[in-house]
Amino acid sequence: AQKITQTQPGMFVQEKEAVTLDCTYDTSDPSYGLFWYKQPSSGEMIFLIYQGSYDQQNATEGRYSLNFQKARKSANLVISASQLGDSAMYFCAMRENWSGNQFYFGTGTSLTVIP
Amino acid sequence: DAGITQSPRYKITETGRQVTLMCHQTWSHSYMFWYRQDLGHGLRLIYYSAAADITDKGEVPDGYVVSRSKTENFPLTLESATRSQTSVYFCASSESRSGGKAKNIQYFGAGTRLSVL
Repeated sequence: AQKITQTQPGMFVQEKEAVTLDCTYDTSDPSYGLFWYKQPSSGEMIFLIYQGSYDQQNATEGRYSLNFQKARKSANLVISASQLGDSAMYFCAMRENWSGNQFYFGTGTSLTVIP
Repeated sequence: DAGITQSPRYKITETGRQVTLMCHQTWSHSYMFWYRQDLGHGLRLIYYSAAADITDKGEVPDGYVVSRSKTENFPLTLESATRSQTSVYFCASSESRSGGKAKNIQYFGAGTRLSVL
């Protein structure tokens, strides 16, 4: 079974609108971390936001927020007020505490911001 | 503020040749990782290291060898390159596996694009 599932290969959003990128995960470990990374066309991987499994509140980092629904095992990324520079690939990832530091990545979602 | 650097950025080689990809980090992070990125697969973990002289296999270790004699360096060697190893390779590091957010974040190098002909 896939550890991380991103079901949206491509998404479009109008500039200044909000967009939600979906991510579901699969783990039995009670202690884990969830991450979102951005990969622009230049290729580097940029950390965006982190959510720990025991965190009570949804994580926020500027225009990025993580909609963490533990019972549903979902960790959706919400980007508010989209900008042209947000056009990129977005990867959801999980780190389990008991799997010895392995990081699992989803297959990514390509976001295009339309002017 | 060098961070994490990979070299070379681009490499073309032939099947059967040995290739070593270099990774160097200046943060003294304990953990280092090697991933490959292929279309449709996202990033897949090849090997990781918890400290100098401690390495372990990830999801796709076959055909690769790693070593870590110093905390700051984590080279990845393809002992006999195959066409299926054509990919983009990323090195990453993190401070820890536990603790708060900052210690868990993985920071990535710029990647090495490897073509095996």
